[in-house]
Amino acid sequence: DAGVIQSPRHEVTEMGQEVTLRCKPISGHDYLFWYRQTMMRGLELLIYFNNNVPIDDSGMPEDRFSAKMPNASFSTLKIQPSEPRDSAVYFCASRADRSTNQPQHFGDGTRLSIL
Amino acid sequence: QKEVEQNSGPLSVPEGAIASLNCTYSDRGSQSFFWYRQYSGKSPELIMFIYSNGDKEDGRFTAQLNKASQYVSLLIRDSQPSDSATYLCAVTSQRGTYKYIFGTGTRLKVLA
Repeated sequence: DAGVIQSPRHEVTEMGQEVTLRCKPISGHDYLFWYRQTMMRGLELLIYFNNNVPIDDSGMPEDRFSAKMPNASFSTLKIQPSEPRDSAVYFCASRADRSTNQPQHFGDGTRLSIL
Repeated sequence: QKEVEQNSGPLSVPEGAIASLNCTYSDRGSQSFFWYRQYSGKSPELIMFIYSNGDKEDGRFTAQLNKASQYVSLLIRDSQPSDSATYLCAVTSQRGTYKYIFGTGTRLKVLA
């Protein structure tokens, strides 16, 4: 089975540029999560979707961040304009909707560097 | 107080020993508890989950949950150098939600 697929794996861009991160969840999974991981703050939940609808975006740091899920097999996280402090590894995860005991499965992440 | 706390380590154990990793959480309504392993530069991968008080064993791994004391632990028996990684504890928040709250992880070093 294909796991969660993220692209790109690495992104290096200059401050002020728009960055778009992409995620394809595991087929049949109804929940999709976006996380950010840094050495200082660990793994932080940014936003999660259920059946393509955003449920909780309280972790989105500011208006420069936006996320969409236009269909069950695709989600994007966009940063515009990007800043050096956005440099981190961004993970996407998905899980099935059978019970709260279902685990989340993570993609390989996107390592983002803003110069 | 952080919602999920772990000792950052590093926890160093000799090869073949038992490694004991601990996690405490603040939300008494938490229902499910997960242990993830993360190698440097890689994504978190699920090792075990537990949601009932007591022990749950899977191979060399045992998860222990004590809801009254609000802690969950992971024991790794016969530790191997390949077990060297950061171990993340994740706790679901109140019943009916699907958010995980992650601890900051404990770095484990198994010395050959």
